[in-house]
Amino acid sequence: GAVVSQHPSWVICKSGTSVKIECRSLDFQATTMFWYRQFPKQSLMLMATSNEGSKATYEQGVEKDKFLINHASLTLSTLTVTSAHPEDSSFYICSARVASLNTGELFFGEGSRLTVL
Amino acid sequence: KQEVTQIPAALSVPEGENLVLNCSFTDSAIYNLQWFRQDPGKGLTSLLLIQSSQREQTSGRLNASLDKSSGRSTLYIAASQPGDSATYLCAVDGQNFVFGPGTRLSVLP
Repeated sequence: GAVVSQHPSWVICKSGTSVKIECRSLDFQATTMFWYRQFPKQSLMLMATSNEGSKATYEQGVEKDKFLINHASLTLSTLTVTSAHPEDSSFYICSARVASLNTGELFFGEGSRLTVL
Repeated sequence: KQEVTQIPAALSVPEGENLVLNCSFTDSAIYNLQWFRQDPGKGLTSLLLIQSSQREQTSGRLNASLDKSSGRSTLYIAASQPGDSATYLCAVDGQNFVFGPGTRLSVLP
């Protein structure tokens, strides 16, 4: 299957700082990527849809100014958690579809665990 | 609004047993349904994808069925092994991509 890579896999930061998480499609181009958040023992919640070359589409209740998404190329989307606070601590996962497959199958990154002290 | 549920929430079985995980969804207008596996602290691994026009898909010891009209899918795992222990998530792709809460499976040696 297609490979989606996330970096970093885990990060610890102080409250008030900003953290950037990268999501890369390694062997395919992705015009659309998706960002999810997962709390312990809960399922994934879609945060936003990242569109290459245009603004991201955020789900209801997700703060656009808090979670900045940039999709500058066909293989890279970034999520920046700005002015992070302890309640932002979570597992963040990205995913992408391979447009050429035309199956709609989603491939996921390994996830990034954020801990805000 | 699409809602996805999974039963059971948790399951513990001895090695070698065949088992069935259930997924239900409320809106049958879907493009496909996908089953994933998630190990603790890890991302998701795609197991099987069933298109809305298909009724089942098989991969090794895994078989997934889809009954779109009744809003149900099952994941059948044959001859379970300790390495199958993980959380299994189903997700439906319709107007939005919606995940179920998952089934935590423990296969005991």
